[in-house]
Amino acid sequence: KQEVTQIPAALSVPEGENLVLNCSFTDSAIYNLQWFRQDPGKGLTSLLLIQSSQREQTSGRLNASLDKSSGRSTLYIAASQPGDSATYLCAVGGDSWGKLQFGAGTQVVVTP
Amino acid sequence: KAGVTQTPRYLIKTRGQQVTLSCSPISGHRSVSWYQQTPGQGLQFLFEYFSETQRNKGNFPGRFSGRQFSNSRSEMNVSTLELGDSALYLCASSLVGQPSGNTIYFGEGSWLTVV
Repeated sequence: KQEVTQIPAALSVPEGENLVLNCSFTDSAIYNLQWFRQDPGKGLTSLLLIQSSQREQTSGRLNASLDKSSGRSTLYIAASQPGDSATYLCAVGGDSWGKLQFGAGTQVVVTP
Repeated sequence: KAGVTQTPRYLIKTRGQQVTLSCSPISGHRSVSWYQQTPGQGLQFLFEYFSETQRNKGNFPGRFSGRQFSNSRSEMNVSTLELGDSALYLCASSLVGQPSGNTIYFGEGSWLTVV
Protein backbone atom coordinates (compact mmCIF):
# COMPACT_ATOMS: atom_id res chain seq x y z
CA LYS A 1 0.00 0.00 0.00
CA GLN A 2 1.38 3.38 -1.04
CA GLU A 3 2.18 5.77 1.82
CA VAL A 4 3.03 9.41 1.14
CA THR A 5 4.74 11.48 3.81
CA GLN A 6 5.52 15.16 3.93
CA ILE A 7 7.97 16.57 6.43
CA PRO A 8 7.89 19.07 8.04
CA ALA A 9 4.20 19.56 8.74
CA ALA A 10 4.73 23.31 9.09
CA LEU A 11 7.40 25.77 8.07
CA SER A 12 7.90 29.49 8.63
CA VAL A 13 10.48 31.51 6.70
CA PRO A 14 11.23 35.19 6.20
CA GLU A 15 10.46 36.72 2.84
CA GLY A 16 13.21 36.20 0.28
CA GLU A 17 14.41 32.87 1.60
CA ASN A 18 14.25 29.78 -0.58
CA LEU A 19 11.73 27.14 0.42
CA VAL A 20 12.47 23.42 0.33
CA LEU A 21 9.53 21.05 0.78
CA ASN A 22 9.95 17.30 0.98
CA CYS A 23 7.75 14.42 -0.06
CA SER A 24 8.52 10.72 0.30
CA PHE A 25 6.62 7.66 -0.91
CA THR A 26 6.99 4.00 -0.14
CA ASP A 27 6.19 2.33 -3.47
CA SER A 28 8.41 3.42 -6.35
CA ALA A 29 6.01 2.01 -8.97
CA ILE A 30 4.38 5.35 -9.69
CA TYR A 31 3.14 6.94 -12.90
CA ASN A 32 3.60 10.50 -11.80
CA LEU A 33 3.91 12.85 -8.86
CA GLN A 34 2.20 16.17 -8.54
CA TRP A 35 2.55 19.17 -6.28
CA PHE A 36 -0.48 21.20 -5.31
CA ARG A 37 -1.13 24.36 -3.37
CA GLN A 38 -4.15 24.83 -1.12
CA ASP A 39 -5.18 28.16 0.36
CA PRO A 40 -7.33 28.12 3.52
CA GLY A 41 -10.87 26.98 2.82
CA LYS A 42 -10.18 26.56 -0.89
CA GLY A 43 -9.64 23.79 -3.37
CA LEU A 44 -6.30 22.62 -4.70
CA THR A 45 -4.29 24.24 -7.46
CA SER A 46 -1.90 22.10 -9.48
CA LEU A 47 1.62 23.51 -9.46
CA LEU A 48 3.82 20.93 -11.15
CA LEU A 49 3.39 17.44 -12.53
CA ILE A 50 6.40 15.14 -12.98
CA GLN A 51 5.98 11.99 -15.02
CA SER A 52 7.79 8.90 -13.75
CA SER A 53 10.29 9.12 -16.60
CA GLN A 54 11.25 12.69 -15.72
CA ARG A 55 13.71 13.89 -13.08
CA GLU A 56 12.42 17.42 -12.66
CA GLN A 57 9.96 20.08 -13.74
CA THR A 58 10.22 23.85 -13.54
CA SER A 59 7.71 26.65 -13.64
CA GLY A 60 8.84 30.16 -12.83
CA ARG A 61 10.19 30.22 -9.28
CA LEU A 62 9.13 26.61 -8.71
CA ASN A 63 11.23 23.55 -9.34
CA ALA A 64 10.31 20.00 -8.44
CA SER A 65 12.61 17.00 -8.57
CA LEU A 66 11.76 13.32 -8.52
CA ASP A 67 13.95 10.40 -7.47
CA LYS A 68 11.86 7.27 -7.91
CA SER A 69 14.53 4.88 -6.71
CA SER A 70 14.75 6.59 -3.32
CA GLY A 71 11.03 7.44 -3.20
CA ARG A 72 11.54 11.16 -2.84
CA SER A 73 10.46 14.42 -4.39
CA THR A 74 11.45 17.93 -3.45
CA LEU A 75 9.70 21.18 -4.27
CA TYR A 76 11.92 24.27 -4.33
CA ILE A 77 10.40 27.73 -4.26
CA ALA A 78 12.95 30.44 -4.92
CA ALA A 79 12.87 33.86 -3.28
CA SER A 80 9.72 33.24 -1.26
CA GLN A 81 7.03 35.90 -1.00
CA PRO A 82 4.18 36.38 1.51
CA GLY A 83 1.80 35.30 -1.26
CA ASP A 84 3.46 31.87 -1.19
CA SER A 85 1.90 31.24 2.23
CA ALA A 86 -0.34 28.20 1.83
CA THR A 87 -0.40 24.45 2.38
CA TYR A 88 1.57 22.48 -0.17
CA LEU A 89 0.58 18.89 -0.91
CA CYS A 90 2.25 16.24 -2.96
CA ALA A 91 0.28 13.43 -4.56
CA VAL A 92 1.34 10.22 -6.24
CA GLY A 93 -0.47 8.68 -9.19
CA GLY A 94 -0.21 4.93 -9.46
CA ASP A 95 -1.89 2.30 -11.61
CA SER A 96 -5.31 2.96 -10.11
CA TRP A 97 -7.53 5.10 -12.32
CA GLY A 98 -8.46 8.47 -10.94
CA LYS A 99 -6.81 7.91 -7.60
CA LEU A 100 -4.12 10.21 -6.31
CA GLN A 101 -2.50 9.32 -3.00
CA PHE A 102 -1.90 12.53 -1.09
CA GLY A 103 0.51 13.44 1.64
CA ALA A 104 -0.75 15.38 4.65
CA GLY A 105 0.81 18.59 3.40
CA THR A 106 3.28 21.19 4.62
CA GLN A 107 1.82 24.45 5.89
CA VAL A 108 4.07 27.32 4.85
CA VAL A 109 4.10 30.83 6.28
CA VAL A 110 6.28 33.47 4.67
CA THR A 111 6.70 36.48 6.93
CA PRO A 112 7.31 39.96 5.47
CA LYS B 1 -12.57 29.07 -19.37
CA ALA B 2 -14.83 28.30 -16.44
CA GLY B 3 -13.31 26.17 -13.70
CA VAL B 4 -14.74 23.26 -11.79
CA THR B 5 -17.94 24.32 -10.07
CA GLN B 6 -19.26 22.68 -6.94
CA THR B 7 -22.61 23.28 -5.33
CA PRO B 8 -23.61 23.88 -2.66
CA ARG B 9 -20.55 25.44 -1.08
CA TYR B 10 -21.75 25.10 2.50
CA LEU B 11 -24.42 22.95 4.09
CA ILE B 12 -25.46 21.70 7.48
CA LYS B 13 -27.29 18.40 7.85
CA THR B 14 -28.60 16.35 10.74
CA ARG B 15 -27.42 12.83 11.54
CA GLY B 16 -29.41 10.27 9.61
CA GLN B 17 -30.26 12.60 6.73
CA GLN B 18 -28.85 12.26 3.25
CA VAL B 19 -27.05 14.80 1.10
CA THR B 20 -26.35 15.26 -2.60
CA LEU B 21 -23.39 17.29 -3.82
CA SER B 22 -22.98 18.45 -7.39
CA CYS B 23 -19.93 19.02 -9.55
CA SER B 24 -19.69 20.59 -12.99
CA PRO B 25 -16.31 19.83 -14.60
CA ILE B 26 -14.40 21.99 -17.02
CA SER B 27 -15.91 21.84 -20.47
CA GLY B 28 -14.47 18.92 -22.42
CA HIS B 29 -13.22 17.05 -19.36
CA ARG B 30 -14.58 13.53 -19.19
CA SER B 31 -13.06 12.42 -15.91
CA VAL B 32 -14.46 13.51 -12.57
CA SER B 33 -13.05 12.35 -9.25
CA TRP B 34 -14.17 13.03 -5.70
CA TYR B 35 -12.14 13.39 -2.53
CA GLN B 36 -12.98 13.82 1.12
CA GLN B 37 -10.72 16.10 3.15
CA THR B 38 -10.68 16.09 6.95
CA PRO B 39 -8.10 17.40 9.45
CA GLY B 40 -7.48 13.91 10.78
CA GLN B 41 -7.37 11.82 7.59
CA GLY B 42 -6.29 14.38 5.03
CA LEU B 43 -7.38 13.88 1.44
CA GLN B 44 -8.94 10.53 0.71
CA PHE B 45 -10.11 9.26 -2.66
CA LEU B 46 -13.82 8.49 -2.92
CA PHE B 47 -14.42 7.54 -6.56
CA GLU B 48 -13.74 8.43 -10.16
CA TYR B 49 -16.06 8.55 -13.13
CA PHE B 50 -15.24 8.61 -16.81
CA SER B 51 -17.87 8.80 -19.52
CA GLU B 52 -20.66 7.92 -17.06
CA THR B 53 -18.83 4.83 -15.76
CA GLN B 54 -17.33 4.44 -12.32
CA ARG B 55 -13.78 3.35 -12.97
CA ASN B 56 -12.53 3.28 -9.42
CA LYS B 57 -13.79 3.50 -5.88
CA GLY B 58 -11.98 4.24 -2.65
CA ASN B 59 -12.34 2.54 0.69
CA PHE B 60 -15.58 4.13 1.85
CA PRO B 61 -18.80 2.47 3.01
CA GLY B 62 -21.69 1.92 0.63
CA ARG B 63 -23.44 4.99 2.06
CA PHE B 64 -21.21 6.97 -0.29
CA SER B 65 -22.29 6.79 -3.91
CA GLY B 66 -22.00 8.82 -7.03
CA ARG B 67 -22.90 9.08 -10.66
CA GLN B 68 -21.94 10.94 -13.78
CA PHE B 69 -24.27 12.24 -16.43
CA SER B 70 -23.84 12.35 -20.20
CA ASN B 71 -22.68 15.98 -19.99
CA SER B 72 -19.93 14.88 -17.54
CA ARG B 73 -21.55 16.59 -14.60
CA SER B 74 -21.32 14.46 -11.51
CA GLU B 75 -23.15 14.06 -8.24
CA MET B 76 -22.22 12.30 -5.07
CA ASN B 77 -24.65 11.19 -2.43
CA VAL B 78 -24.14 10.31 1.20
CA SER B 79 -27.00 8.54 2.92
CA THR B 80 -27.63 8.09 6.63
CA LEU B 81 -25.19 10.82 7.57
CA GLU B 82 -22.88 10.35 10.53
CA LEU B 83 -21.00 12.99 12.50
CA GLY B 84 -17.76 11.69 11.03
CA ASP B 85 -18.93 12.60 7.53
CA SER B 86 -18.34 16.25 8.31
CA ALA B 87 -15.67 17.27 5.84
CA LEU B 88 -14.71 19.26 2.80
CA TYR B 89 -15.73 17.32 -0.29
CA LEU B 90 -13.63 18.14 -3.32
CA CYS B 91 -14.38 17.40 -6.92
CA ALA B 92 -11.70 17.38 -9.60
CA SER B 93 -11.78 17.07 -13.36
CA SER B 94 -9.29 16.26 -16.07
CA LEU B 95 -9.41 15.34 -19.72
CA VAL B 96 -9.01 11.60 -19.41
CA GLY B 97 -8.29 11.07 -15.72
CA GLN B 98 -5.26 10.30 -13.62
CA PRO B 99 -2.56 9.08 -13.79
CA SER B 100 -2.28 10.58 -17.25
CA GLY B 101 -0.14 13.63 -17.92
CA ASN B 102 -3.23 15.83 -17.98
CA THR B 103 -3.50 18.57 -15.41
CA ILE B 104 -6.16 17.96 -12.80
CA TYR B 105 -8.33 20.85 -11.73
CA PHE B 106 -10.08 21.00 -8.38
CA GLY B 107 -13.22 22.84 -7.42
CA GLU B 108 -13.42 24.92 -4.26
CA GLY B 109 -15.30 22.18 -2.47
CA SER B 110 -18.50 21.65 -0.55
CA TRP B 111 -18.25 22.07 3.21
CA LEU B 112 -20.54 19.57 4.90
CA THR B 113 -21.27 19.81 8.61
CA VAL B 114 -23.28 17.03 10.22
CA VAL B 115 -24.87 17.88 13.58
